[in-house]
Amino acid sequence: GAVVSQHPSRVICKSGTSVKIECRSLDFQATTMFWYRQFPKKSLMLMATSNEGSKATYEQGVEKDKFLINHASLTLSTLTVTSAHPEDSSFYICSARDPGLAEETQYFGPGTRLLVL
Amino acid sequence: AQKITQTQPGMFVQEKEAVTLDCTYDTSDPSYGLFWYKQPSSGEMIFLIYQGSYDQQNATEGRYSLNFQKARKSANLVISASQLGDSAMYFCAMREGPSYNTDKLIFGTGTRLQVFP
Repeated sequence: GAVVSQHPSRVICKSGTSVKIECRSLDFQATTMFWYRQFPKKSLMLMATSNEGSKATYEQGVEKDKFLINHASLTLSTLTVTSAHPEDSSFYICSARDPGLAEETQYFGPGTRLLVL
Repeated sequence: AQKITQTQPGMFVQEKEAVTLDCTYDTSDPSYGLFWYKQPSSGEMIFLIYQGSYDQQNATEGRYSLNFQKARKSANLVISASQLGDSAMYFCAMREGPSYNTDKLIFGTGTRLQVFP
């Protein structure tokens, strides 16, 4: 199947700093990628849809000024957590579907564990 | 109302036995897709199986099969011949609408499966 990578896999930062997480589609071009967050022992919650060349679409309740999304190329979307606070500590995971494949499957990156001290 | 409901927070199964993980969904859209993902403790989301709303036959992928009962709006995952490595969280997810229109997934709360020797 299609491969999606994320970097970094883990990050620890101080409160008030910003953290950038990258999501890459390695062997296909993705005009759309998705960002989810997952709290411990909870389900995945969609944060936003990242659209190549245009603004991201945020889900209700997600602060767009806090979670900045940039999808500058067909293989890269970035999520920047600005002025991070301890409550932003979570597992962030991205996904994308290979439009060149007939299958409907969305593939997920390995995730990024963010810990804000 | 919940779009995806997984009523079993945890399940136990003995190695080599079969197990069924329940999933019910709620949508009024005639076109939708149903997915099952496995999430081991490492956090990665591993795609297992997909069922389209117009698919006539139940999906199967190796030891995984999807018991799709459209009238009941259920999409239970059946794992045959359980292995110790099957111990993980399992998430049911739905794409509400045709794939040319959306790739957004809505996830259930998950079922933690533990396989014992």
